[in-house]
Amino acid sequence: NAGVTQTPKFRILKIGQSMTLQCAQDMNHNYMYWYRQDPGMGLKLIYYSVGAGITDKGEVPNGYNVSRSTTEDFPLRLELAAPSQTSVYFCASSYRGQGASEQYFGPGTRLTVT
Amino acid sequence: GIQVEQSPPDLILQEGANSTLRCNFSDSVNNLQWFHQNPWGQLINLFYIPSGTKQNGRLSATTVATERYSLLYISSSQTTDSGVYFCAVETETSGSRLTFGEGTQLTVNP
Repeated sequence: NAGVTQTPKFRILKIGQSMTLQCAQDMNHNYMYWYRQDPGMGLKLIYYSVGAGITDKGEVPNGYNVSRSTTEDFPLRLELAAPSQTSVYFCASSYRGQGASEQYFGPGTRLTVT
Repeated sequence: GIQVEQSPPDLILQEGANSTLRCNFSDSVNNLQWFHQNPWGQLINLFYIPSGTKQNGRLSATTVATERYSLLYISSSQTTDSGVYFCAVETETSGSRLTFGEGTQLTVNP
């Protein structure tokens, strides 16, 4: 298993540009998550999905959109990039049944908006 | 929402020393994870430990859920242990969200 994979690893955007961060998992996990990590801080949840076709906002959703058309993929869309979106973005997944379970993280995408 | 406090914020050790990192949380949790973020930024799962004690090599962790804290023990530290250690928790009402502490920055000198 490759686990959770993310592309690209690095990206520089100009203010106002858009891009999609890709995330895929091959563990047949039902839940998937997007977090961002600002310098010197812990991670904060942007959006999450409990299954294909179902998404919900996390703590910091403004400026982002997500979709989940398949179990494996959970892309994150940035529209009209702003300097405040300069961060490291982590995708994660977990298999949840009745209760909580361990989340597994991808390697991250480092995004700079200038 | 739940508050997660980690201590100490910074820790400098000589290779071979032992250390204890602490995570306090303000509400009942149904998930607690410890991560190591290495100097390249990769998040490595160390423990999934909502309660009880687990050991993995030189690392062990204990969560006392009733008293709302968790401890991570690192024994015989090595330079490769350097990085940031995060505690993250999930509650019944947090909507599957992991809430992260601000981390402990560990530096192990040779």
